Amino acid sequence: DAGITQSPRHKVTETGTPVTLRCHQTENHRYMYWYRQDPGHGLRLIHYSYGVKDTDKGEVSDGYSVSRSKTEDFLLTLESATSSQTSVYFCATLGGLGGTDTQYFGPGTRLTVL
Amino acid sequence: AQSVAQPEDQVNVAEGNPLTVKCTYSVSGNPYLFWYVQYPNRGLQFLLKYITGDNLVKGSYGFEAEFNKSQTSFHLKKPSALVSDSALYFCAVRDIGNDMRFGAGTRLTVKP
Repeated sequence: DAGITQSPRHKVTETGTPVTLRCHQTENHRYMYWYRQDPGHGLRLIHYSYGVKDTDKGEVSDGYSVSRSKTEDFLLTLESATSSQTSVYFCATLGGLGGTDTQYFGPGTRLTVL
Repeated sequence: AQSVAQPEDQVNVAEGNPLTVKCTYSVSGNPYLFWYVQYPNRGLQFLLKYITGDNLVKGSYGFEAEFNKSQTSFHLKKPSALVSDSALYFCAVRDIGNDMRFGAGTRLTVKP
């Protein structure tokens, strides 16, 4: 899994509470990504980072924010969790400059918002 | 914008038979195409990719995929399926830039 860990692996929270998911990588990869996986939708990109303090929005960024203060860590924050954000969240990294390079994925975080 | 379609939600095959998981794509330029596999409660694992060159790409665990530009397809194949191949398979495409789009996934079940 290219040295990618995610924490927590499981979380149950209540509507309206803030939640932060952490992705940690040991590969010194430049690019990092947050996806959510939902049945029938595959993986959809939430946010990505192309370097420390450099981030951009993905396809489904509303209600999420990210931060990257160090190369190895990429945090995803749900400002005020809603039931529609119940999902499995995956972090990924990419070592090169995109294009032909391969993304590698973490083990995922299962988030349930009650 | 690029996109991929996996027309089958579910594929069932008998062990020892050949398997095919279908993928079609849409991009404005040259496609970079990928296949990933996901086992239960795990992240996605890279299987293979097509960048350029030979249309038949060989990957991990005996899988291969055939790039067909005229049909805009990138079907995943294996000559002889194993029960352990049962998993969720995702096709993905990357166009210009780094944005990768995934298909909805196909669940492969190989029965003994």
